Amino acid sequence: DARVTQTPRHKVTEMGQEVTMRCQPILGHNTVFWYRQTMMQGLELLAYFRNRAPLDDSGMPKDRFSAEMPDATLATLKIQPSEPRDSAVYFCASGPNLSRRNTGELFFGEGSRLTVL
Amino acid sequence: GESVGLHLPTLSVQEGDNSIINCAYSNSASDYFIWYKQESGKGPQFIIDIRSNMDKRQGQRVTVLLNKTVKHLSLQIAATQPGDSAVYFCAEKSETSYDKVIFGPGTSLSVIP
Repeated sequence: DARVTQTPRHKVTEMGQEVTMRCQPILGHNTVFWYRQTMMQGLELLAYFRNRAPLDDSGMPKDRFSAEMPDATLATLKIQPSEPRDSAVYFCASGPNLSRRNTGELFFGEGSRLTVL
Repeated sequence: GESVGLHLPTLSVQEGDNSIINCAYSNSASDYFIWYKQESGKGPQFIIDIRSNMDKRQGQRVTVLLNKTVKHLSLQIAATQPGDSAVYFCAEKSETSYDKVIFGPGTSLSVIP
């Protein structure tokens, strides 16, 4: 049963602390997306990787957010320092090679709910 | 810039009736349009997609219609069931944007038993 795994599922932290969220994409998928979901902004694309290379992180606040793929089985999203406005659900999604012949079907994890006090 | 948006933020439908969820988009270069369903506490789940050179595609109880002239996309759910209650997102993918998948704001569908 292939699925995207995200940890932690829930995280409560204080303003100023570092937060790291992890994602294990589905084996064989070569695209990985990080989205942030809030009531006000919906699903915002933060970062996008293909074959572990960052293709687009224009949606991510560069001063405090960073996204990496140390290897094909792990993607990380780090916030340092965290702020209350970062409170949201962060989703990781993976997909097969998204070329013209493929549809854009992504497989989402269950999300990491972050609360920054 | 690119944007995908929804006409109606909430929709209530009687069980057994058909549901229609609408979406507007602005990027003419998008090559695929995708519908996702998100149930409470879960990640979005793929429902159906349509390629930009098509105008209609049918799945199990769902039909997606694409009108490129007015840049409009719709998802029709036949014989809506309580299990269809969720938030529905349209999304687009464009090869000119490195195949990023961009989501619209979502429509909440409530099915009245």
